[in-house]
Amino acid sequence: AQSVTQLGSHVSVSEGALVLLRCNYSSSVPPYLFWYVQYPNQGLQLLLKYTSAATLVKGINGFEAEFKKSETSFHLTKPSAHMSDAAEYFCAVSDTSGGSNYKLTFGKGTLLTVNP
Amino acid sequence: NAGVTQTPKFRILKIGQSMTLQCTQDMNHNYMYWYRQDPGMGLKLIYYSVGAGITDKGEVPNGYNVSRSTTEDFPLRLELAAPSQTSVYFCASTLPTLGLYEQYFGPGTRLTVT
Repeated sequence: AQSVTQLGSHVSVSEGALVLLRCNYSSSVPPYLFWYVQYPNQGLQLLLKYTSAATLVKGINGFEAEFKKSETSFHLTKPSAHMSDAAEYFCAVSDTSGGSNYKLTFGKGTLLTVNP
Repeated sequence: NAGVTQTPKFRILKIGQSMTLQCTQDMNHNYMYWYRQDPGMGLKLIYYSVGAGITDKGEVPNGYNVSRSTTEDFPLRLELAAPSQTSVYFCASTLPTLGLYEQYFGPGTRLTVT
């Protein structure tokens, strides 16, 4: 069974500061990993994904994440926070083994607040 | 290309009533999923389908039913609504056969059962 742990249900940063949202996963096979963003009262939008190519993945809106197999981590970063980054962020893992049907297991989410 | 659409956006049900949440995608995706989102709990998989006529249970299927008669539509049926089914429901789709592994989400249906 897979699982995802997002450390910190709420992260607060100042505008212009580094954003670091942590995600650790548990999977018995090499996973696919995703970060989604959810703005208030909206659906989930894909930020970036790791599907066994480059371990440093760049996404939309200046976000990037690094897959570290030894640490079973996929932390999300952005060098300089913007007010528009305030949202809830979800890390998700997909089992790549046969028969998994690409189901996603989500973390509980991290609410990012950006202070002016 | 509208992507994944869901109706209704909001609904209030009384305990014991039934309803169907509609989900349609126009991307010709064969895989479709239903999730529920509760505050602080992330998203949990209710049911999924890998193609027309094929459905299977996810993590939290009790109290729900699904059908998949076409590639485009994947309705979720609530029978005998209970307060525990108060949640936000999201439909998603993907097409792994073309190397597309991320899921595309609809805008959600906010359901309150009182």
